[in-house]
Amino acid sequence: NAGVTQTPKFQVLKTGQSMTLQCAQDMNHEYMSWYRQDPGMGLRLIHYSVGAGITDQGEVPNGYNVSRSTTEDFPLRLLSAAPSQTSVYFCASSDRDTRFFGPGTRLTVL
Amino acid sequence: GDSVTQMEGPVTLSEEAFLTINCTYTATGYPSLFWYVQYPGEGLQLLLKATKADDKGSNKGFEATYRKETTSFHLEKGSVQVSDSAVYFCALTGGTGFQKLVFGTGTRLLVSP
Repeated sequence: NAGVTQTPKFQVLKTGQSMTLQCAQDMNHEYMSWYRQDPGMGLRLIHYSVGAGITDQGEVPNGYNVSRSTTEDFPLRLLSAAPSQTSVYFCASSDRDTRFFGPGTRLTVL
Repeated sequence: GDSVTQMEGPVTLSEEAFLTINCTYTATGYPSLFWYVQYPGEGLQLLLKATKADDKGSNKGFEATYRKETTSFHLEKGSVQVSDSAVYFCALTGGTGFQKLVFGTGTRLLVSP
């Protein structure tokens, strides 16, 4: 039981590049979500999903896309990277009210 | 909207000292309350939770009591260890269905030998 896994662990992009952050869970949770963590701001919700085929926006969705084709996977796509998207990204899956977080992806946009 | 306010850090303590990290919240209805811990270089882990007023969550020597009258969920530990050095996040969820987890800004704890 691996829990929540994220790849890559580190990534450096140039402004304007696109990429996908991968997230997978093996706990059969319906709920999955993406957060970004910035100094002094805690974690902010980007997008979330309440089940396969269903996604919705969180607090800071601009510049990001998500899809949920399976229960296990919830990738986050950066369409055109900007320096403001430099952050640490965490994926989480949830039972009714407890989030299980992945180890994070540290993204730097130059 | 719902919000969580934590004391600013860093909190610097010597080993075996008593720890309190203050957390207050604003929410409609009856939220569930959480403390998450983030060790250096790692993701967040659930430390403890409480789902209704007067509940006490506890884990690894840490405790927090859900106080509805003061809208607080302060984290306490009687004797901290160097290994407790981490960032601690207070958080809440409320409502039904997918509950959006609202985090405080985090409090860094540094424990010296």
